[in-house]
Amino acid sequence: EPEVTQTPSHQVTQMGQEVILRCVPISNHLYFYWYRQILGQKVEFLVSFYNNEISEKSEIFDDQFSVERPDGSNFTLKIRSTKLEDSAMYFCASSEQDPYEQYFGPGTRLTVT
Amino acid sequence: GEDVEQSLFLSVREGDSSVINCTYTDSSSTYLYWYKQEPGAGLQLLTYIFSNMDMKQDQRLTVLLNKKDKHLSLRIADTQTGDSAIYFCAERGRSSASKIIFGSGTRLSIRP
Repeated sequence: EPEVTQTPSHQVTQMGQEVILRCVPISNHLYFYWYRQILGQKVEFLVSFYNNEISEKSEIFDDQFSVERPDGSNFTLKIRSTKLEDSAMYFCASSEQDPYEQYFGPGTRLTVT
Repeated sequence: GEDVEQSLFLSVREGDSSVINCTYTDSSSTYLYWYKQEPGAGLQLLTYIFSNMDMKQDQRLTVLLNKKDKHLSLRIADTQTGDSAIYFCAERGRSSASKIIFGSGTRLSIRP
């Protein structure tokens, strides 16, 4: 069964460094999303992406964040200058034509020290 | 604002039914979801229900929706040890094309 994959599974970085989290959505899906879950808190929506542009973003998704689909298979989330409070589990998701069914990857745990 | 609430823990005996409850605030919710998260894994979409439905059944899973009370439940029949996981209730409102709002998750543990 096709699935969303994410790399790395765990990333440790120093405050102020840039990180890129990678996702490979399900191959025939057209809508892509990033969510995050800070330890002990709810899963929060960050951004959605369709047709090579952001279709919706939350107030969390400020200028420090960017997303890109650099080729036909990858979908990336970049954090320009990480802060301690960016430490969280980041989930990528994708959906087919219909955005109702979002399929999630296993997540990347980001630890900022 | 939009919010989804659920209890944090549920313990059931193996073979019994589990009922996980959820309440939401957005009366314009169009889709309501149940996701399952096993240890070390991602969020697995279990099932979803449209807001114009009252019930949806899929094998051992039954979803009930009470729109008047903004209450959603997930019933797992004949609960097995493999059902141990965190179950997230989530909703998508009419105001958003893509954002899903999640609850905190209910940790289901199974007693022998």
